[in-house]
Amino acid sequence: DVKVTQSSRYLVKRTGEKVFLECVQDMDHENMFWYRQDPGLGLRLIYFSYDVKMKEKGDIPEGYSVSREKKERFSLILESASTNQTSMYLCASSYYGNEQFFGPGTRLTVL
Amino acid sequence: KQEVTQIPAALSVPEGENLVLNCSFTDSAIYNLQWFRQDPGKGLTSLLLIQSSQREQTSGRLNASLDKSSGRSTLYIAASQPGDSATYLCAVSLEAQKLVFGQGTRLTINP
Repeated sequence: DVKVTQSSRYLVKRTGEKVFLECVQDMDHENMFWYRQDPGLGLRLIYFSYDVKMKEKGDIPEGYSVSREKKERFSLILESASTNQTSMYLCASSYYGNEQFFGPGTRLTVL
Repeated sequence: KQEVTQIPAALSVPEGENLVLNCSFTDSAIYNLQWFRQDPGKGLTSLLLIQSSQREQTSGRLNASLDKSSGRSTLYIAASQPGDSATYLCAVSLEAQKLVFGQGTRLTINP
């Protein structure tokens, strides 16, 4: 079975802190994605990566950066967390042209 | 800009009924379409993937159809069970596998 894991299920941080969210997949997928999900706004793409060290902005990249040093690992970084970044963060991976598989999500609260 | 709409937003039916969830999209130039389910507070589980060249896909009690020319997809659930209660999300894939999601249909199956 495809497995996508995320480093934390719940996270509470303070405004201004640097936050790292990690995602690991075990299926050798080229593509990896970070989304956030908010009530009334649905799922929105933050960043994605189609290869190691490659990244592309999604629809809402402001305030975020990403890192992909190894194929199986894709990190989302909040350089200076703000309260409007309180959300559910979902990571996904896929082979090109095939279905995306999602992790369990990280619910981040920024106080 | 691609927009994905799911109607109804919520649906409640008695156990055992067959039901249909609807998804429509504005731009027919899609790469594929994927249906997911999401349980409260959890990540997304992939149910079915339909490539743009396909008309339907089946998995157990689930059948998804795709009519690209009219911008529509349906998810048919046969003999519904209380365990089918969840939010069902439809997403269309654009270039580089960027998914655009609908807002989802919250399904409740009453015993």
